[in-house]
Amino acid sequence: GESVGLHLPTLSVQEGDNSIINCAYSNSASDYFIWYKQESGKGPQFIIDIRSNMDKRQGQRVTVLLNKTVKHLSLQIAATQPGDSAVYFCAENESHGNNRLAFGKGNQVVVIP
Amino acid sequence: DAGITQSPRHKVTETGTPVTLRCHQTENHRYMYWYRQDPGHGLRLIHYSYGVKDTDKGEVSDGYSVSRSKTEDFLLTLESATSSQTSVYFCAISEPATDTQYFGPGTRLTVL
Repeated sequence: GESVGLHLPTLSVQEGDNSIINCAYSNSASDYFIWYKQESGKGPQFIIDIRSNMDKRQGQRVTVLLNKTVKHLSLQIAATQPGDSAVYFCAENESHGNNRLAFGKGNQVVVIP
Repeated sequence: DAGITQSPRHKVTETGTPVTLRCHQTENHRYMYWYRQDPGHGLRLIHYSYGVKDTDKGEVSDGYSVSRSKTEDFLLTLESATSSQTSVYFCAISEPATDTQYFGPGTRLTVL
């Protein structure tokens, strides 16, 4: 069957380099954001999240940056590895309580060994 | 995998037949969701549940129904499958305190 990554913007990155994946969101009322990673044939996997009262959050080899002024979210992956090859997409939650997320379509990351 | 299983993992069926997909969680989370994922689209919400017997529609609910009789199980039913329902279906769970949703491994459904 077709891969979820088909027709998505693709970022090709050399192994060991840093990757930056971008996401624009539309709802200024959104106050919680999540990055997911999805490998072929698997379900989306939580990577990192950030709330709107922060502009940066770091995890293991990943950093999320939030710019509320321009409604932009980015995911930085340090020292990209072959296992980082996947589709990455952002999600936003505009309110607490109903736990409904809106998902972006994603970006395909291809790591070149 | 956050304690989420989906069954079956793959299914091929014919137009007009009923299909039920099962999502099972061991986390005792209150919220459960069904999404479909198609090339060119992000994840789209079909139905969700905010407790036993409490469900509501998502953005693409036509042709689907759900039931939740126990905290751990959330069933998605296609009463009469159509070719447009060929997709990969994901179940997710969340804990209200964090808002993060965790996903199951998916079910690939093909309707011929």
